[in-house]
Amino acid sequence: EADIYQTPRYLVIGTGKKITLECSQTMGHDKMYWYQQDPGMELHLIHYSYGVNSTEKGDLSSESTVSRIRTEHFPLTLESARPSHTSQYLCASSELGTGGGNEQFFGPGTRLTVL
Amino acid sequence: RKEVEQDPGPFNVPEGATVAFNCTYSNSASQSFFWYRQDCRKEPKLLMSVYSSGNEDGRFTAQLNRASQYISLLIRDSKLSDSATYLCVVGKNTGNQFYFGTGTSLTVIP
Repeated sequence: EADIYQTPRYLVIGTGKKITLECSQTMGHDKMYWYQQDPGMELHLIHYSYGVNSTEKGDLSSESTVSRIRTEHFPLTLESARPSHTSQYLCASSELGTGGGNEQFFGPGTRLTVL
Repeated sequence: RKEVEQDPGPFNVPEGATVAFNCTYSNSASQSFFWYRQDCRKEPKLLMSVYSSGNEDGRFTAQLNRASQYISLLIRDSKLSDSATYLCVVGKNTGNQFYFGTGTSLTVIP
């Protein structure tokens, strides 16, 4: 089983609130990712990180921000939540491999609903 | 054009059947290829990596055709527990980003 955790698992919140989705992994992986997935749709990469103090935006434009102060921790923050942010957010991590990349391990996800 | 394309299905097959899924990718520079399985409302989990020479893991066989830019997954002797969505995932060397297909839904019927 992968040692990657996300909290909260479910969050229902009102418009305009600031929220932080937590993601932690205990595998010592350098690379971490945040994906957004709507029901029946593909995962879209919104942020990734190669290591401490490294963050990059993914292909899907997102109003969220991330930080990577510690290897094991990769939180995602929405400064002002809107109904359009309602989705499932999946965190993943992988080793810093060469070539095309290594297996990603996923957390259980956070299902966010913004009213 | 999407980076990764899959037939969404659904595929409804009887137990014991053999079923095959295909996936095409658009970027010829892609370096790594995977099949993930995602159960309803759960996170994706790696089913198998796909190697150039093709590889097999029990009832599952994966093939890669770089010339035609497609990947396949063959499931033999389907079990009820194989019911899930199968995601094709392609990784690029630059940036080490991964691109996911929309997934192919499989239901194995008793």
